[in-house]
Amino acid sequence: EPEVTQTPSHQVTQMGQEVILRCVPISNHLYFYWYRQILGQKVEFLVSFYNNEISEKSEIFDDQFSVERPDGSNFTLKIRSTKLEDSAMYFCASRPEGNYNSPLHFGNGTRLTVT
Amino acid sequence: DAKTTQPNSMESNEEEPVHLPCNHSTISGTDYIHWYRQLPSQGPEYVIHGLTSNVNNRMASLAIAEDRKSSTLILHRATLRDAAVYYCILRDTYSGAGSYQLTFGKGTKLSVIP
Repeated sequence: EPEVTQTPSHQVTQMGQEVILRCVPISNHLYFYWYRQILGQKVEFLVSFYNNEISEKSEIFDDQFSVERPDGSNFTLKIRSTKLEDSAMYFCASRPEGNYNSPLHFGNGTRLTVT
Repeated sequence: DAKTTQPNSMESNEEEPVHLPCNHSTISGTDYIHWYRQLPSQGPEYVIHGLTSNVNNRMASLAIAEDRKSSTLILHRATLRDAAVYYCILRDTYSGAGSYQLTFGKGTKLSVIP
């Protein structure tokens, strides 16, 4: 069964550094998402992306964050200048076009640790 | 988004059925009921969804009350692999300009006892 893959599985960075988290969504999917989960807390929506543009974003997704689909397969989340509070699991998800209720398929996440 | 209420935690014995409840008294007519689960150290995983009728798939069954104010996810025979956090999520099919993103609550942590 096709999967959403995320790399790296664990990223350690220093405060103030830029990080790029990478995702390869399922190949025929057209909607892409990023979520995060701070340790012990809820899974939180960050942003959704469709047709090469952001379709929805949450209050968490401020100017420090950006997303990009640089080629036909990758979907990236960039954090421009990381803060300690950005430490979390970041999950990428994708779903096909069409049926409003098509489920989201999640990757297994990248654990970001900001020191 | 309409809110759901789930117990914080539940326990089940292995190989016994598990009924995970969810209350959603403010559900609207366009809200579908979705269930996802999150196994330890993994991303969320889709389980099942429904609107009004009960639904079955290879993973579970979803029983929806006639007034739609509550639903129950049924795992017919719990295995150790079913130990996870289970999320009941209402998904408005007319929100979000097509992104139809999910809003996760705290869910129910299911422990399965061997």
